[in-house]
Amino acid sequence: QSALTQPPSASGSPGQSVTISCTGTNRDIGTYNFVTWYQQHPGKAPKLLIHQVAKRASGVPERFSGSKSGNTAYLTVAGLQADDEADYFCCSFAGGFKIFGGGTKLTVL
Amino acid sequence: EVQLVESGGGWVQPGGSLRLSCETPGLGGLWMTWVRQAPGKGLQWVADISPDGSERNYADDLRDRYTVSRDNARNSLYLDMNSLTADDSSIFYCARDVGYGTFDVWGRGTVVTVS
Repeated sequence: QSALTQPPSASGSPGQSVTISCTGTNRDIGTYNFVTWYQQHPGKAPKLLIHQVAKRASGVPERFSGSKSGNTAYLTVAGLQADDEADYFCCSFAGGFKIFGGGTKLTVL
Repeated sequence: EVQLVESGGGWVQPGGSLRLSCETPGLGGLWMTWVRQAPGKGLQWVADISPDGSERNYADDLRDRYTVSRDNARNSLYLDMNSLTADDSSIFYCARDVGYGTFDVWGRGTVVTVS
């Protein structure tokens, strides 16, 4: 159960788009279409953004989108806004287990 | 709106034990999970439990010391932890799993400090 691999940081200017990657293996992301993405602001609980690779959770703006290719999942945030500055975590189902990524800190410049 | 409320966190000496609780109306019928977050670190999935409690899964490195359980009649989820070390110091969140690791509702967390 090794953690999924995410870049520790990402950044973009307001209005720009940024994509965060999440790399697993053929035992998790590569096999199952159950990848989720969570946003966490400092001092707050995580919030569900994306489930089943590309489905937005209720109330999540269309600016957030998810995709997958092989063993890697992606979260794209378009039209960056100041409030998007947060930590983002991916998570994959792995046959009874769930595995999180190490997290990516997104900075809006 | 569904709310999850964790309790039971606090300070404990190394080697000690602790029971965490998570309460929510209408607990029955859904998988429930525990996730922890060490200070300044990422999220770590800890364990989950099926709606009737018959199936439980654990992170490999925690299964020998942690036990997840539930009491649907009391709308409560539990996490029993023993042989605690400083590495167990974390915020512990309970979350509702609506399917295959989709955690759609989270509690605010309860802080465990082992020192």
